[in-house]
Parts: sequence; C-alpha cells; structure tokens
Amino acid sequence: EIVLTQSPATLSLSPGERATLSCRASQSVSSSLAWYQQKPGQAPRLLIYAASNRATGIPARFTGSGSGTDFTLTISSLEPEDFAVYYCQQRFDWWTFGQGTKVEIK
Amino acid sequence: EVQLLESGGGLVQPGGSLRLSCAASGFTFSEYGMDWVRQAPGKGLEWVSAISSGGERTYYVGSVKGRFTISRDNSRNVLFLQMNSLSLEDTAVYYCAKEGGHGLPFDFWGQGILVTVSS
Repeated sequence: EIVLTQSPATLSLSPGERATLSCRASQSVSSSLAWYQQKPGQAPRLLIYAASNRATGIPARFTGSGSGTDFTLTISSLEPEDFAVYYCQQRFDWWTFGQGTKVEIK
Repeated sequence: EVQLLESGGGLVQPGGSLRLSCAASGFTFSEYGMDWVRQAPGKGLEWVSAISSGGERTYYVGSVKGRFTISRDNSRNVLFLQMNSLSLEDTAVYYCAKEGGHGLPFDFWGQGILVTVSS
C-alpha cells in the first residue's frame, strides 16, 4: 500500500499570504496525484488532478506541482474561503489519501 | 448538473448489516467507475471500494474485504454498498463519488450519509 504523508498538519496563515502544502508518497506515484479541499460539513471538492492540472472552475491561485514522490499544493494568496482541510490522493496503486493539512486563520 | 444522493444510513448494532444507495443523475452513469469513500468522525478520508463502469470489476480496501459488497444498477443509475458484520470502526460518513474517467480522480461527490455502529 502506498502511504501519503502530508505536512504540516496545520498551517496558520493570514488572508493574502501564500500557503505551501506538501504531500510525500512512500513510493513513486508518477503524476497520479490529486488534491481536494474539504470544508466543515461538506464533501471534498477536487482541486488538482494529475499533479498539476486544475479541475473545472478552480481559481488560478491554486497550483499543483511535483512528480514521483514529492508534491506541492500552493495557494498564492489566501482568500477567506480557502481556509479548510486539504487532502492529497494517489491513483497509482488503487486509491489512498493523505491524512490532511488544515489551513487555519492566524 | 451532476447529482449524487446517498441514502440508507443510520444506527446499527455491532454485527449488523446496512445497505447504502447512491442515486446518480446529470451524467451517463454507465460510462463511469464509481467509488465509496468514508470519513470517521473528526478523521481523514478513507477510500473503501470501487466498481468499474459495467460492474464487472470490484475492489475493496483490506479492512472491509469479505464484509462489504459494492454493486450497481446501470438501468436505474444507482450505486450500492452492502455492509455486513459491521463493527464500531465502521462508524463514519460514507460518500459516493464519481470517477473522472480514464484514471482521473473523483470529480463529483455526494453529500454523504452517516453510518453509526453502536450498541
């Protein structure tokens, strides 16, 4: 089983700041990595697929990068609606999720 | 507009059974793989099961193999999850999710349904 490790667990930032979230895979997943956003009481929403492709309707401030075992989700300038939990997910060997990174208001 | 609507959740005793349904609309259901993902209270996401577009291939996470069965009815656009021998660890919100096709991840999700296993 491929294990995804996200860091940090919590990121405390202010609106307008840049957020950098990391996801590391226990073995290579090539570019088969996605990012989701989840707000309290809501279902997850797909942000990024195939490591760097924004899903339909996702603002340009969200950028995914990486390949192999190391991936990054960058939010260039945090908007109030961006404070949420973010999960990475790999598709290389079935589906597994990382444990999540909470982006909270500082 | 794609819609996924789960039903069938509730309170069940340990060892009991429950059948979840997910009614799909707004897309050609028979053309896409479908999955179940769960989230225990206050915890992260866990992929549970997947089924191919035609229903001929099914897959499960190790912890539910032999206890859960995923199926689909493409004539009625419904996805199912039969859950048997439920344990306290199966308590979670269960989401159905549509795969994006060609190996792409879950582009649409239902709102989730709560399953509580408790005596």
